[in-house]
Amino acid sequence: SQQGEEDPQALSIQEGENATMNCSYKTSINNLQWYRQNSGRGLVHLILIRSNEREKHSGRLRVTLDTSKKSSSLLITASRAADTASYFCATDAINTDKLIFGTGTRLQVFP
Amino acid sequence: GAVVSQHPSRVICKSGTSVKIECRSLDFQATTMFWYRQFPKQSLMLMATSNEGSKATYEQGVEKDKFLINHASLTLSTLTVTSAHPEDSSFYICSARDWGGGTPLHFGNGTRLTVT
Repeated sequence: SQQGEEDPQALSIQEGENATMNCSYKTSINNLQWYRQNSGRGLVHLILIRSNEREKHSGRLRVTLDTSKKSSSLLITASRAADTASYFCATDAINTDKLIFGTGTRLQVFP
Repeated sequence: GAVVSQHPSRVICKSGTSVKIECRSLDFQATTMFWYRQFPKQSLMLMATSNEGSKATYEQGVEKDKFLINHASLTLSTLTVTSAHPEDSSFYICSARDWGGGTPLHFGNGTRLTVT
């Protein structure tokens, strides 16, 4: 399977703490994207990092990419209860139009 | 921003019947749309890539006669689950890009299919 792996599978933290999720993938990529999914809903795009970038920020989100290790991390700083959701990485592989999703991390932020 | 509308959001049907799910890009044209399936607490599995004006490209293990995809216009793709069985019960999500490859996907809100 081309599907990437994420860890942890589930993460519970208190409001104000930081949450870190990791993603590993298998193929060479053009870019890697992170998405958020609230329960029973579609996915919302959070951030895209290209294969020639190592780090990217957007608000409270920080994403890193290490193409030599085929891995990425998503850091959410100063978490809020509203950040409770599932988070997925997705890889945009070279020579394909498809986006392949990782296994996901379920984040729960307690008030 | 780019909006993808998916309908219906929920459907319950009896075994043996067919169900059609619509996916529309409301404010952009989508030459390619993607259909995913998601089981509870699991990731999205790509089922097929829907191409406007041509046949869909199905992923390995997905039955094309079971999951009929039609992409008749630049703003509409449909997925028809034919002769549905309880094991087809799942969450189906469509998505599209408003630009070419290498850009984010815009997702519909999904369809919860329950086959009784």
